[in-house]
Amino acid sequence: DAGVIQSPRHEVTEMGQEVTLRCKPISGHDYLFWYRQTMMRGLELLIYFNNNVPIDDSGMPEDRFSAKMPNASFSTLKIQPSEPRDSAVYFCASTPDSRSSYNEQFFGPGTRLTVL
Amino acid sequence: GQSLEQPSEVTAVEGAIVQINCTYQTSGFYGLSWYQQHDGGAPTFLSYNALDGLEETGRFSSFLSRSDSYGYLLLQELQMKDSASYFCAVAGNTPLVFGKGTRLSVIA
Repeated sequence: DAGVIQSPRHEVTEMGQEVTLRCKPISGHDYLFWYRQTMMRGLELLIYFNNNVPIDDSGMPEDRFSAKMPNASFSTLKIQPSEPRDSAVYFCASTPDSRSSYNEQFFGPGTRLTVL
Repeated sequence: GQSLEQPSEVTAVEGAIVQINCTYQTSGFYGLSWYQQHDGGAPTFLSYNALDGLEETGRFSSFLSRSDSYGYLLLQELQMKDSASYFCAVAGNTPLVFGKGTRLSVIA
């Protein structure tokens, strides 16, 4: 079975450019999470969706960040304009139901973003 | 809000036992999870405790004391492949909040 799929795996861009990260959750999973991981701040929840609807976006750092989930099998995280401090590994995770959201989440391989 | 404290680094010898502690503060509590992450990899789920006591899964065990807001992950018969970062994560008002992680180095 395919796990959570993220693309691209690596992204290098210049400050001010738009960056779009993509995620395909595990089929049948109703919850999707976006995380950012840095050495300084650890693994932070940015936003999560239930049945394609954003539930909590309080972790989104600022208006430059936006996330969408147009259907059950696809989500994007967009940064516009990007800044060097956005450099991090961005993970997408999914779970089949609410209960699983509170213990076992399935993570994708991550996208390593470098903003020069 | 929610916060977790765990040691930043631990070193242990192959074949030994190591315990990684986690204390947490949270408004609302459902349970404590543990995740493993190898360098360059993704976090993977290890265990979950919702009730007080010890949960055992092979060489790994996890303990929770709700009254003390404390838990630990116990790794037995350490192997070199256990070298990784280990995160505790608490579920409360938000699905999961992760600690900063403990980097475990297993040495020969």
